[in-house]
Amino acid sequence: NAGVTQTPKFRVLKTGQSMTLLCAQDMNHEYMYWYRQDPGMGLRLIHYSVGEGTTAKGEVPDGYNVSRLKKQNFLLGLESAAPSQTSVYFCASSFKNIQYFGAGTRLSVL
Amino acid sequence: AQSVTQPDIHITVSEGASLELRCNYSYGATPYLFWYVQSPGQGLQLLLKYFSGDTLVQGIKGFEAEFKRSQSSFNLRKPSVHWSDAAEYFCAVYIDDYKLSFGAGTTVTVRA
Repeated sequence: NAGVTQTPKFRVLKTGQSMTLLCAQDMNHEYMYWYRQDPGMGLRLIHYSVGEGTTAKGEVPDGYNVSRLKKQNFLLGLESAAPSQTSVYFCASSFKNIQYFGAGTRLSVL
Repeated sequence: AQSVTQPDIHITVSEGASLELRCNYSYGATPYLFWYVQSPGQGLQLLLKYFSGDTLVQGIKGFEAEFKRSQSSFNLRKPSVHWSDAAEYFCAVYIDDYKLSFGAGTTVTVRA
């Protein structure tokens, strides 16, 4: 009963490096989301997808790219990491207006 | 623009005491409202939701929330807090295209 799984759980990058965060859901949900969580700011939406092959920008999309090649997977990419992207990243999927969250990825950019 | 405000950044409560967390929303239509809880190092777990109907909503872990349209509020309550309730709590409202807008969160500390 996995639900939403995020990989990796922790990562440390140097400024300018790239990486991809993977989100996988086994609930056959159409909608998927990427958020970042920063102290005192709640969760802010980075990008989202309303179905396989679709993506859309959220509130804070700059510096990130996403892909949804398969319905169950939603990838978040950082092409050139910056210290401002140090954050905790959460993936979610939704069904009937309820969002289900993964455990998060803690990313530090030095 | 639709938004959610949680006025209290941090609340400390004694174990066994009651707890109330405030949430105010700004939304033109009838809102879909949620409370999520995040334990340290964990993801967000849905506590309860309000879509329509009875304005007093029961959730998991003994929590309840009351929707008051006249006050644009959706406050979360628990009659008797347990040490395991120490966590961060987020109020959220659906805005459009199945997107959520979150409040900044309230951290709850439980003292013995």
